[in-house]
Order: sequence, then structure tokens, then C-alpha cells
Amino acid sequence: ETGVTQSPTHLIKTRGQQVTLRCSSQSGHNTVSWYQQALGQGPQFIFQYYREEENGRGNFPPRFSGLQFPNYSSELNVNALELDDSALYLCASSLRRGNQETQYFGPGTRLLVL
Amino acid sequence: AQRVTQPEKLLSVFKGAPVELKCNYSYSGSPELFWYVQYSRQRLQLLLRHISRESIKGFTADLNKGETSFHLKKPFAQEEDSAMYYCALISGAGSYQLTFGKGTKLSVIP
Repeated sequence: ETGVTQSPTHLIKTRGQQVTLRCSSQSGHNTVSWYQQALGQGPQFIFQYYREEENGRGNFPPRFSGLQFPNYSSELNVNALELDDSALYLCASSLRRGNQETQYFGPGTRLLVL
Repeated sequence: AQRVTQPEKLLSVFKGAPVELKCNYSYSGSPELFWYVQYSRQRLQLLLRHISRESIKGFTADLNKGETSFHLKKPFAQEEDSAMYYCALISGAGSYQLTFGKGTKLSVIP
């Protein structure tokens, strides 16, 4: 059983550019969540996808968007990058069973916006 | 809106001393509470969840609804417990988003 993987590990972009981050879910998981973790802060929920549909969104603007594919891998897209978007982006996959869910995290992608 | 507060950014204890990492939450319903841990150069991982009532690596946490707290405790700290600890909650109303505190860095002094 493989764990959650993310790519790339590090990325440098300039303000105004667009970025796509990728996540491969743990085998058998049908739900993926994305979080932003700024330096010195706890992770903040961006959105969640369940069976390819968005299923909850945090307080992030529409320029943050996502996709979940039939194989349950996922992408996070951020348009018009701002300096404050510099952070560690975490992906977490889970298997939803009734009202129980445990999220397993990937190692993260560290994004630096200059 | 739900909120998780971890009042200590850094907690230093000697090896063998008791540990208590504080967590308070605000949520009007019945949340599900978690502790996640991140060891140096490793990914965030689940330590325990309150509904399991498990003891993991000697850590326990009791949900106190009256005080809206979910403090993490261990009677005797080990050097390998040094890590970043995050308290988190999921609201109980069909929402599966985790709301995290800012974290407490535990340093166990040998």
C-alpha cells in the first residue's frame, strides 16, 4: 500500500503566474483535501473533493481551484499568484465510511512566490 | 465558526517529566477532535482521535465538553516525543474539513 505523494516538492514562481500542484491519493481512498500551511501556522483548509465533486470549501478566493480524477489523484491550481500564496501546500486523502474519516497527509509542496 | 486554540508555541520539558499540551476549541455542536504530530523531516500524521479512546505512544487526550478542551497528556516524556503537535477538529454536521490550531513545538530535554 503506497502513501500519499505530492509533486513537485519545491516550486518557485513569480507574482501573477499560475501554478498546478499534484497529489496522488493513498490506494483505496476516495476523498482528497487540500490545505495551505503558512510559516508558523497550522494547516488551513482550502477545499475537499469526494468522488470527483467539490465537497466543501474554506475561505479561499476562486483563483484557487481543483480537480479530482477518476483514479482519485488530484490537482490544485492557483491563478494570478500573490506573494502571500507562498506556503506549504498539503494534500490529504481519506476513505469516507459513514461519518468516519481519517485524513492521511502527503509530504507537501513548498511554493515560493517572488 | 469553529476555532482551535493552542496557547503555547513552545513547550520544553525534561525527559521523564509529565507532558501536557493544551488545546481549547470553540464550536457550538459536537465536534470530533484529533491530535496530529509532525516529527522532524516527516509528514503530518494522526496521533489519536477522541472517539477511539486509544492511547498511542503513551499519549492520551480526554474531551472535556464543559471546558471545551482536549489536552494531550503523557506521564513520562521521551526524547523521541520532540515534535510539532497540532490539535484539530472536524465539525459533526457532515463536514469533513479539519480546522487546526497553530501548533505547539514540544522539546524534550535529555
